[in-house]
Amino acid sequence: AQTVTQSQPEMSVQEAETVTLSCTYDTSESDYYLFWYKQPPSRQMILVIRQEAYKQQNATENRFSVNFQKAAKSFSLKISDSQLGDAAMYFCAYNAGNMLTFGGGTRLMVKP
Amino acid sequence: GAGVSQTPSNKVTEKGKYVELRCDPISGHTALYWYRQSLGQGPEFLIYFQGTGAADDSGLPNDRFFAVRPEGSVSTLKIQRTERGDSAVYLCASSPGTRGTDTQYFGPGTRLTVL
Repeated sequence: AQTVTQSQPEMSVQEAETVTLSCTYDTSESDYYLFWYKQPPSRQMILVIRQEAYKQQNATENRFSVNFQKAAKSFSLKISDSQLGDAAMYFCAYNAGNMLTFGGGTRLMVKP
Repeated sequence: GAGVSQTPSNKVTEKGKYVELRCDPISGHTALYWYRQSLGQGPEFLIYFQGTGAADDSGLPNDRFFAVRPEGSVSTLKIQRTERGDSAVYLCASSPGTRGTDTQYFGPGTRLTVL
């Protein structure tokens, strides 16, 4: 079974600084997709960024980028120029078929 | 356009009662998913619909849980004889295509509390 691990229960960053959230996963599949979702207190999961495993190039979306290391099964999220609105729970997720498998989440706090 | 909507937003019930949770997916999305998120944890998969049929129900914890999507749009998650351990946020998601790996778009969830 696939597992996703987020080893940082909480992270803190100063506004305008950069922070990196870690994620590792375990799979025997070669073709899969990885995601980072943000969950604010409103509960709604919001897609931050998506990475296809067959693509070597790391995905970027504005201030958000990933460092995808397929051999190491690592998928970290970098947030640049952190803003107060970035404060939320962040979940890493894996999908090789139908379902998303989520990690336990990292709570990101942003200090003004 | 409108996103995924879920009703009710919150549901409080007593142990042993029956509850129904509703999900309205994004218009035109053929795939629909249910997840359960316990406090302090990531969501866990329950069931996946492609059109009207349940393509994968391997995440349903037991036979007290059942879900339907009779017309391929709205879905209802039904829980019989609720237990305190069923208390969680139930999230619904939809995706546009027939590939299970398409991006899933989530609703705001229903918080179920079983007293």
